[in-house]
Amino acid sequence: AQSVTQLDSHVSVSEGTPVLLRCNYSSSYSPSLFWYVQHPNKGLQLLLKYTSAATLVKGINGFEAEFKKSETSFHLTKPSAHMSDAAEYFCVVSYWGSYIPTFGRGTSLIVHP
Amino acid sequence: DTAVSQTPKYLVTQMGNDKSIKCEQNLGHDTMYWYKQDSKKFLKIMFSYNNKELIINETVPNRFSPKSPDKAHLNLHINSLELGDSAVYFCASSQDQGQGISTDTQYFGPGTRLTVL
Repeated sequence: AQSVTQLDSHVSVSEGTPVLLRCNYSSSYSPSLFWYVQHPNKGLQLLLKYTSAATLVKGINGFEAEFKKSETSFHLTKPSAHMSDAAEYFCVVSYWGSYIPTFGRGTSLIVHP
Repeated sequence: DTAVSQTPKYLVTQMGNDKSIKCEQNLGHDTMYWYKQDSKKFLKIMFSYNNKELIINETVPNRFSPKSPDKAHLNLHINSLELGDSAVYFCASSQDQGQGISTDTQYFGPGTRLTVL
C-alpha cells in the first residue's frame, strides 16, 4: 500500500523569499517520488523525480527536493520564489511493479510581489 | 509538436447524454492514463492502460469506458452523463519499462473541461 500527504493546502510567500512545500509518503516498497507543477488552466509538468539514485534531486526552474527515508519525506524547496512559480504542486509516490501512482491532494503556491 | 493532445478542450452537454474525449500521444509510449480533476484540484486516476493490460480503478462507474484503437490513442467514452461528472479530465502517457509500471515520468495533456448541465 502507498499513500502521500501534502501537509499544506496553501503556501503563501513573497517574491524573492524561499519556498518550502512539504510532502510525506508511505510505501511498502522502495518508492519512486515525483513533484509535478500545474499552472492555471494547464496540464501537469514534471519538476523532478527521485528513483533511488542521489537523495538530493535537482529539477527545473531552480527547484530541488531531498529524499529522507528516515522521515519518509520528500519536501520541495526553492531558494528564491518568482511570480511565475505561482501554481498548484503535486507530490506523487509510486513503486516498481505498481500500475497506479498515488497523487497528493496538491499545494497551491501563492507568490506576492 | 504537442506530445500529448486532447480534444475537445471544452465540452458542455446535457445530463443523460453520451460523450467521448479523445487523446493522442506522439511520444511512442506504451502506457496511457486517464485522470479526473475535481473543482478542488484533487486528481484521481481512473484508468491505466498499456498494450498488454487495462487497469481499472474500482471506484470508477462503469459508465466510463476507455477505448484504445492503437498504442498512440486512448479515448474516454462516458455514457449517461451526470452532474457529478463535471470536472477536468486529463490524459497522460509514460514509457512502459516492461510491466506497465508507474515509476516513469508521466506526460500530461492540456485537459478537457467537461460541464454537465
